[in-house]
Amino acid sequence: ETGVTQTPRHLVMGMTNKKSLKCEQHLGHNAMYWYKQSAKKPLELMFVYSLEERVENNSVPSRFSPECPNSSHLFLHLHTLQPEDSALYLCASSQEARGALYEQYFGPGTRLTVT
Amino acid sequence: AQSVTQLDSQVPVFEEAPVELRCNYSSSVSVYLFWYVQYPNQGLQLLLKYLSGSTLVKGINGFEAEFNKSQTSFHLRKPSVHISDTAEYFCAVKLTGGGNKLTFGTGTQLKVEL
Repeated sequence: ETGVTQTPRHLVMGMTNKKSLKCEQHLGHNAMYWYKQSAKKPLELMFVYSLEERVENNSVPSRFSPECPNSSHLFLHLHTLQPEDSALYLCASSQEARGALYEQYFGPGTRLTVT
Repeated sequence: AQSVTQLDSQVPVFEEAPVELRCNYSSSVSVYLFWYVQYPNQGLQLLLKYLSGSTLVKGINGFEAEFNKSQTSFHLRKPSVHISDTAEYFCAVKLTGGGNKLTFGTGTQLKVEL
């Protein structure tokens, strides 16, 4: 059981397509994250939003474009992807507060295949 | 910058046997330490975390981990595994100085066999 949902769960897209991944958290958190999980590699943090402002962007190519319209929703817009972008994309959320540490809660992920 | 090493990519073990999954980290400053589990087709779930205090941390599903500062390790243990423990396990660190960044290891696939 998780308070973080992601849609779609699976996505196959061509390199010229445009698609979006959606993440929704029902936990009342104020921070949301996108991670990329590739086989045999550590999870890579892509973007962090805190209070709906992007606070971290780990040198992610511009073909990935995040959007956080409110504290409950996070999108990842995809366009002109490459086959090496095929991976599991995980969304997470947490409550961030100065001086406190709260765990990140993860969604089930979207399995993306770029053909 | 901090880093996490999980040397074992796969660990096969028979049911009811003990298991240890190894995690070593590297950081020039103090860190918080975490173990997450990922079951097939699911996201990551927190097993346990070390923030401060007792170096032996107990988590869910009978798992525990011990923080060893001198060896910069945070190995995960369970005295008797079950088939349902088959999953991928990730060790992660976060700097105590703030920030949102979790740094993960490459994961260890635990396969429990009958």
